[in-house]
Amino acid sequence: NAGVTQTPKFRVLKTGQSMTLLCAQDMNHEYMYWYRQDPGMGLRLIHYSVGEGTTAKGEVPDGYNVSRLKKQNFLLGLESAAPSQTSVYFCASGGRGLSYEQYFGPGTRLTVT
Amino acid sequence: ELKVEQNPLFLSMQEGKNYTIYCNYSTTSDRLYWYRQDPGKSLESLFVLLSNGAVKQEGRLMASLDTKARLSTLHITAAVHDLSATYFCAVEMNRDDKIIFGKGTRLHILP
Repeated sequence: NAGVTQTPKFRVLKTGQSMTLLCAQDMNHEYMYWYRQDPGMGLRLIHYSVGEGTTAKGEVPDGYNVSRLKKQNFLLGLESAAPSQTSVYFCASGGRGLSYEQYFGPGTRLTVT
Repeated sequence: ELKVEQNPLFLSMQEGKNYTIYCNYSTTSDRLYWYRQDPGKSLESLFVLLSNGAVKQEGRLMASLDTKARLSTLHITAAVHDLSATYFCAVEMNRDDKIIFGKGTRLHILP
């Protein structure tokens, strides 16, 4: 099992460019989350999904869009990147019922210049 | 809106000492998570606390949850240098499945 994987690991964008971050999990989890981590801010929830085809806004959703077309994948899009979106992005997945544990991906370090 | 507050945010302590990290939250929740993060790494799940009065222990770490007080604690017993890391608590809102993190406690254990 690969667990939770994120693509890419690093990326540098210019202001105004767009990109998509991919999160994939092989644990058949219903719940998936996107967070950003900035120094001194902890992790802040961007968007999340409680099942295939569903998405919901988190604490800081502006400037981001997401899609969950397949249960195993959760995509995070930046349509027009801004320097304020420079951050480390983490994806997580989790189940319900027998285990509520959340598993995190390795992170994507994004720099917007 | 759910707010999660951890204290202290920074903690420097001697090996062999005991200490407690506190996690307070502002709205009703029955699920609380503790994570560890090493510098430059991802987050590692330590504990999931699912009910009032839940207590879990792993090695020198013990976590507890008091849902009535909206408080969780992470207790460190006889600290060792390997426990140096940042520790996060996260709270799941009952009504909409959001999981909100505290700002983290950076723990530095001096030999």
